[in-house]
Amino acid sequence: GAVVSQHPSWVICKSGTSVKIECRSLDFQATTMFWYRQFPKQSLMLMATSNEGSKATYEQGVEKDKFLINHASLTLSTLTVTSAHPEDSSFYICSAIYRGTLYNSPLHFGNGTRLTVT
Amino acid sequence: GDSVTQMEGPVTLSEEAFLTINCTYTATGYPSLFWYVQYPGEGLQLLLKATKADDKGSNKGFEATYRKETTSFHLEKGSVQVSDSAVYFCALSATNTGNQFYFGTGTSLTVIP
Repeated sequence: GAVVSQHPSWVICKSGTSVKIECRSLDFQATTMFWYRQFPKQSLMLMATSNEGSKATYEQGVEKDKFLINHASLTLSTLTVTSAHPEDSSFYICSAIYRGTLYNSPLHFGNGTRLTVT
Repeated sequence: GDSVTQMEGPVTLSEEAFLTINCTYTATGYPSLFWYVQYPGEGLQLLLKATKADDKGSNKGFEATYRKETTSFHLEKGSVQVSDSAVYFCALSATNTGNQFYFGTGTSLTVIP
């Protein structure tokens, strides 16, 4: 159980275009989803926290107009990288947490999306 | 604020060697502690967890004990395999920060035959 599906697993796009990444919790309801960015051989950088039905909370330094997050349902959150540039190339990972669980529940991660902007 | 400090890598071991990856934490509340593993090109998978002091999490031969007195959660395995090669992340989630997770910087492990 507790499967998080992330699509696409990799995408190549041209500079200036937008890319949407989907994160779905397949067998549980997720009130909260997190979006991370990971640079090569580095740790996870939390970009934003997404709660179902409300606006995402962005971490300091993350441009909310560039990284649009929508959490329209308890099983789906999307991250759209708008007007992508080569410096946006990275590995993006989503994670989700069970609805209504205790604070000691683990995060469940998607398999990540490798974005390459040419 | 809450944080996790993890030993620097990379770590290279021969097959069947003993593994220890150190992790210490700082938390104002009563955190739960986790180890996640990331294989190349993939997301993170939960390896094990412990939710209170003296708990021992274990999975796939890996173990970690929640030590409140030393604020540590070191990961150990008695005999590593080549398939254990991955990046390992220590993490905490504290009750007073509303599901916020804090991750260590990750430790890359390479096991050679």
